[in-house]
Amino acid sequence: DAGVTQSPTHLIKTRGQHVTLRCSPISGHKSVSWYQQVLGQGPQFIFQYYEKEERGRGNFPDRFSARQFPNYSSELNVNALLLGDSALYLCASSLAIWGFNQPQHFGDGTRLSIL
Amino acid sequence: DAKTTQPNSMESNEEEPVHLPCNHSTISGTDYIHWYRQLPSQGPEYVIHGLTSNVNNRMASLAIAEDRKSSTLILHRATLRDAAVYYCILRDGRTGNQFYFGTGTSLTVIP
Repeated sequence: DAGVTQSPTHLIKTRGQHVTLRCSPISGHKSVSWYQQVLGQGPQFIFQYYEKEERGRGNFPDRFSARQFPNYSSELNVNALLLGDSALYLCASSLAIWGFNQPQHFGDGTRLSIL
Repeated sequence: DAKTTQPNSMESNEEEPVHLPCNHSTISGTDYIHWYRQLPSQGPEYVIHGLTSNVNNRMASLAIAEDRKSSTLILHRATLRDAAVYYCILRDGRTGNQFYFGTGTSLTVIP
């Protein structure tokens, strides 16, 4: 079975531009979460979606937004890019948000570089 | 959000056991303790999780202190493939499946 897939794998943008990152969860998984990982640090939680609704939001500015589609895939959008947005963006999926015995399955991320 | 504290780095010889500590003194009664690891150029990978009792699986063992303020991930025989950053995470039992990572422990395995 395919794992969590993210596209693109690498992306270069300039300050002020907009970017859309995509994520396909494991088949059957209904929850998708997004994380930002700056070099040398652990991943930081951005959003969680379940059944197309936002169920959690981390401490990120409104320039960051996301959505989940009927097929449970998800997009992360970042507007007005800043140099500090350069990071690895990780997507994780799980069966549901309830139930404490469900691990999250991570993709290998999109490496975003801002020039 | 409850925080975890881990050593920045540890070393182990190949084929020897490794004990990776984690302190979480502000853990709440409904927080589960999860461990993930991240190999270079990959996303984090689930290792093990537990609530109160010690846990074993094919990858590792998790030992949880009686007061739950600390835990230890045990790799029984370290291999070169175990070289990774190991994250100890408290899963917020009130808000669902969100994870809050710290900076983790970078494990070096010496051949």
